[in-house]
Amino acid sequence: ETGVTQSPTHLIKTRGQQVTLRCSSQSGHNTVSWYQQALGQGPQFIFQYYREEENGRGNFPPRFSGLQFPNYSSELNVNALELDDSALYLCASSLGLAFTDTQYFGPGTRLTVL
Amino acid sequence: DAKTTQPNSMESNEEEPVHLPCNHSTISGTDYIHWYRQLPSQGPEYVIHGLTSNVNNRMASLAIAEDRKSSTLILHRATLRDAAVYYCIQPNTGNQFYFGTGTSLTVIP
Repeated sequence: ETGVTQSPTHLIKTRGQQVTLRCSSQSGHNTVSWYQQALGQGPQFIFQYYREEENGRGNFPPRFSGLQFPNYSSELNVNALELDDSALYLCASSLGLAFTDTQYFGPGTRLTVL
Repeated sequence: DAKTTQPNSMESNEEEPVHLPCNHSTISGTDYIHWYRQLPSQGPEYVIHGLTSNVNNRMASLAIAEDRKSSTLILHRATLRDAAVYYCIQPNTGNQFYFGTGTSLTVIP
């Protein structure tokens, strides 16, 4: 069983640019969740995808969007980058939506916006 | 928003037990409590979860209060590798996690 992987590891962008972050879930996992973690804070829930449909969103604006693909990969897209978007972005995959389903986190992508 | 509250930090001596508390006063009958930990420079990792009764696994034990409004994660013998931020989570519908700030555990050699 392979783990959850994310790419790239680090990324530097400037304000106003757009960025795409990628995540590869564990095979067979139908759910992927994305989180933003600022320095010294806990991860903040951005949104969740279940079988390629958005299934819930946290308090993030529409310029944060995502896609989930049938091959267990997913993307987080952020448009019109702002300085406050600088953070560690984590994805987590799980089997489904049950309260007993463990979320398996990737190592994250560190995004710096200048 | 997170539905749980935890102390910001705790310290433990190496090889001694550690009890990490969590309050979840709004919990309902079907809500699980999950514990994850995040080691430095890593993504969070699963520790344990439970519903009503106490739970044990190879990493830790979870003691849930009878009224379910609080729980305690127990590390039986803290090691230096257990130094991490520990998060207690009461998931939303769809198993969506809203993290708090967690408890930063320092293990003293």
